[in-house]
Order: sequence, then C-alpha cells, then structure tokens
Amino acid sequence: KAGVTQTPRYLIKTRGQQVTLSCSPISGHRSVSWYQQTPGQGLQFLFEYFSETQRNKGNFPGRFSGRQFSNSRSEMNVSTLELGDSALYLCASSVDPAGQGNTEAFFGQGTRLTVV
Amino acid sequence: AQSVTQLDSQVPVFEEAPVELRCNYSSSVSVYLFWYVQYPNQGLQLLLKYLSGSTLVKGINGFEAEFNKSQTSFHLRKPSVHISDTAEYFCAVSDSYGNKLVFGAGTILRVKS
Repeated sequence: KAGVTQTPRYLIKTRGQQVTLSCSPISGHRSVSWYQQTPGQGLQFLFEYFSETQRNKGNFPGRFSGRQFSNSRSEMNVSTLELGDSALYLCASSVDPAGQGNTEAFFGQGTRLTVV
Repeated sequence: AQSVTQLDSQVPVFEEAPVELRCNYSSSVSVYLFWYVQYPNQGLQLLLKYLSGSTLVKGINGFEAEFNKSQTSFHLRKPSVHISDTAEYFCAVSDSYGNKLVFGAGTILRVKS
C-alpha cells in the first residue's frame, strides 16, 4: 500500500512569489492535514480537509490556503512568499470515517521550501 | 485550548540504558494522545497512541507510554535503547473532532555507544 506522497520534495522560491505543494493521501483516506515545521516554531497545524471541505484551520495568515479534490488529493498554496515561510511542510492523511480525530495520521516525507 | 509540554529538549543516554521522555498536556476536553518519531529529513512515524481503555500503551520498536489523567502526563519509555533510536520524538494531542494535532516542541534522543 503506497504511503502519503508529497511533491516536490525540495523547492526554492524567491520572496514575493507564490508556491503550490501537492499531497496524495493513502488510498481510502478522506482526511488530509497540513503542518508547517520550523526550528523556531516547531510543528504547527495549518488546516485540515475532509471530503473536499476545510474542517479545521490553524492560526496562519490568509496567504496560506488549501484545497482538496474529489479523489482526496490536496494542494496547499502560499502566496507572496516571505523569508519566514521557509520550512518543512508536512502532509498527513487518515481514514477517520467519523471525524473523531482518533485514527492514526500517516505523514508524508514533506516538502522542504526555501525562500530566498 | 490544548497545549503540550515536552519537558526535555535533549536527552543523552548510553546504548542499552533505559530512557523516559516526558510529556505533559493541558486540555479542557477529553483528548487522544500520540507519540511520533522523526528521523533526519523524514516525515513523522507513529510510535503509539492512547485513545481510551488501558492506561499503559505499547507501541512499535519496544516503546511504551503511560497515560496519567490526574497528572495530565503521557511519558514515553523504553527499557533498553539502541543507537538506531537516535531521533526526535514528538508528543501530540488531538481533541474529539477532526484531525488537528497539537504538538510539543520535541525531544531529541541521542543514544551514545
């Protein structure tokens, strides 16, 4: 069974540009969550999508957005990149049929975004 | 609001010695608790989880954790560590709705030979 796939693995962008990251969940998983990991702030929740709807949202500015497609694949977009957006972005998927947050979240290997 | 405190940023230990990584949480509602491990340049892998029932939870790679509701703790233990256990360990909590994990700051476990 294939795991969570994130593309690309590495990305270098210039300040002010925008970027789109992709996440393919494990087959059959309907929940996809995104996290930002930085040395200073640690792991922070960005948002979660379930059946194409945003179900939870963290405390990030509107420059961070996401969406989920009917096949559960998800993308996140960051517009007007800032140096502080440099981070490892992790995607996680889970089955969670009842939306109770009690099923295991499987993480991808992440996308390492560097903003210069 | 939920929060997680991992009391040690780094824990050095010799190979084959026991180890305990400490985690305390705060929440006003029932929670689910998790421990994840992250190896360099990798994503997170679930070690174990507490959802309900027995307070002693056994996970992969010989790790176990004990849920203590009165002390709001979920400490991770391993009786004998190996060099390959060197990694960063994260404690996380999730509330009863949705998959929003709140993570602690992480504990780097350094196993020395």
